[in-house]
Order: sequence, then C-alpha cells, then structure tokens
Amino acid sequence: SYEVTQPPSVSVSPGQTANITCSGEQLGDKYVSWYQQRPGQSPVLLIYQDNKRPSGIPERFSGSNSGNTAALTISGTQAMDEADYYCQTWDSNTGVVFGGGTQVTVL
Amino acid sequence: EVHLVESGGAVVQPGGSLRLSCAASGFTFDDYTMHWVRQTPGKGLEWVSIIRRDGTYTHYADSVKGRFTISRDSRKNSLYLQMNSLRTEDSAFYYCAKDTAGFRDARGLDYWGQGTLVTVSS
Repeated sequence: SYEVTQPPSVSVSPGQTANITCSGEQLGDKYVSWYQQRPGQSPVLLIYQDNKRPSGIPERFSGSNSGNTAALTISGTQAMDEADYYCQTWDSNTGVVFGGGTQVTVL
Repeated sequence: EVHLVESGGAVVQPGGSLRLSCAASGFTFDDYTMHWVRQTPGKGLEWVSIIRRDGTYTHYADSVKGRFTISRDSRKNSLYLQMNSLRTEDSAFYYCAKDTAGFRDARGLDYWGQGTLVTVSS
C-alpha cells in the first residue's frame, strides 16, 4: 500500500518560516492536500491540489509538490499556527493516504 | 454555510454493529464526493471510506473492507457508514468530510463535521 512520511515535529520561532515535508514514491505525480488540526478541533483544509488555497486561508500558507516530496510552507509563523499538520494524497489502490502528522511548535 | 453533523456514535460490544449518519447542508450534496475519516484521541487521521457524488463508486481502507459499508441518500442529503463486526481497534472519533470535487478520488477535504465517538468495548 502507498505511504507518505512526515517529520513528527517541527519547531519555528515567531515570524520565521516553517517548512513541513511529506515524502512518498513519485508523490509529485499525485495531488497533495494539507490540513491543520488544533487540539479538540476538526481538521481544516489549508492547501489542496498541491498549491491551491481555499478561501479564508491566509496567504502565509503555501504548498509545493515535486519529485518525491511535497512541502507546506508557513511564512511569518504566528503563535496561532501552533498545531498538528497532516499531508494527504490519493492512490488508486490504497485510497486516501494521510501522513502521520507533524506537530508544529512556535517557540 | 456548509454544515456537516455526524450522529450515531455509541458504546458497542466487540462483534456488534453501528450505523453512523452525517446530515449535510449548505451545498448541493449531489455534486460532491464524500468521505469518512476516523481518529483515535491523541493519534493521527485515518481515512475510512469514499463515495463518489453519484454513489456508483466506493472504496475502503483495508482495515475496514468487508465490514463497513458507505452509502448516501440524495433525498435526505445524508451520508451513512454501516459498521459491522466491530473491533476494539475501531474505537475512534468518526468524521464525515466533503471533497472539493465530485470525482472518484480525493482532491481535498474542505469541510469536516465535529465527529461522533465510537467506543468498542466489552
């Protein structure tokens, strides 16, 4: 079955840039979405189809996908961005595939 | 405004059955693919099942294949998950989620319900 891998944690200083990676075989050939989940809340879609932002999502969130790695970039990170982040893709055999999640800490 | 409201979560014994429902509003239900996703408290997201907008295509995670059945009712704007032969490892919050498109794949899950808790325990 298809799998994608994320780092368990990322730390970033306020105002700096956080990069969260998502790795999988030929991931660049697939669409990738990114979700933010704060404790006790449902996930929120941040990025879909690699780099599209739903309405209402701040421009500081951006996505890219090429080769075997997709990335979510948070520019000018704010304290409110402290949360868990999940990447997600689709494989025709496996179905929807979520990464294990990355906990972002804003120090 | 899009709303997804899950219901039907309960405590059930191993081997038992449960039917989850998700009432959808605020969008044209027939135009979008829908999903069930589950999450054990403190753990990551686990996708469960997908159903295309017209109901003709469904797909399941290996962990639930043959035990769970997804369905939808356009007259009631509702999504369902019939869960049979439940196991302790099926205990989780179950979310219904709307896709950004109506195809037989996942283009992004843009709206999620608040979740309903299923506990499988003797």
